[in-house]
Amino acid sequence: KQEVTQIPAALSVPEGENLVLNCSFTDSAIYNLQWFRQDPGKGLTSLLLIQSSQREQTSGRLNASLDKSSGRSTLYIAASQPGDSATYLCAVETSGSRLTFGEGTQLTVNP
Amino acid sequence: EAGVTQSPTHLIKTRGQQVTLRCSPISGHTSVYWYQQALGLGLQFLLWYDEGEERNRGNFPPRFSGRQFPNYSSELNVNALELEDSALYLCASSLEAGATSTDTQYFGPGTRLTVL
Repeated sequence: KQEVTQIPAALSVPEGENLVLNCSFTDSAIYNLQWFRQDPGKGLTSLLLIQSSQREQTSGRLNASLDKSSGRSTLYIAASQPGDSATYLCAVETSGSRLTFGEGTQLTVNP
Repeated sequence: EAGVTQSPTHLIKTRGQQVTLRCSPISGHTSVYWYQQALGLGLQFLLWYDEGEERNRGNFPPRFSGRQFPNYSSELNVNALELEDSALYLCASSLEAGATSTDTQYFGPGTRLTVL
């Protein structure tokens, strides 16, 4: 059974800092890994999708890496802003188009 | 282009009742997914529909069921509601599904169900 773990569970940083969120998964037989953002009480917004054959993806201030063999991914956020405050979720897609999510990292960026 | 829409946004029911949640995918998307986000349990995969057929199911009892219509919209039905069914129910859609998919799942805003 696939399990996804995210560390840390919560993170509070001052504005402007660079930060790294971590995600690990137990079964390397994945099709892709995705990072999502969820604002309180809202749905999910897709940030980055990394196919299993890829090593990283970048979008603006965000960079996600994938090491499938070790079952790890990181999300790097550069020059954090208060608007980045949200819960960040990591999810892996396995057979049957099933997404398995981590518990998330709650990020607070203080002005 | 309109995103994934869900209705209703909020719902309050009592134990034992039945509920139907609705989802309209992004135009052109044929796959619809349902997830449950209960407090303390994280996001759990419920169901996947593609081209009108149920393709995969998460670890939920049979009282959770659904269907997908010819226009690719979908309903999630929950019978005999229990207190622990209180959760945010999220619907997602994608252009294609399976091992060759390069398309992410796009999520709707969710339906908040409270069971009293």
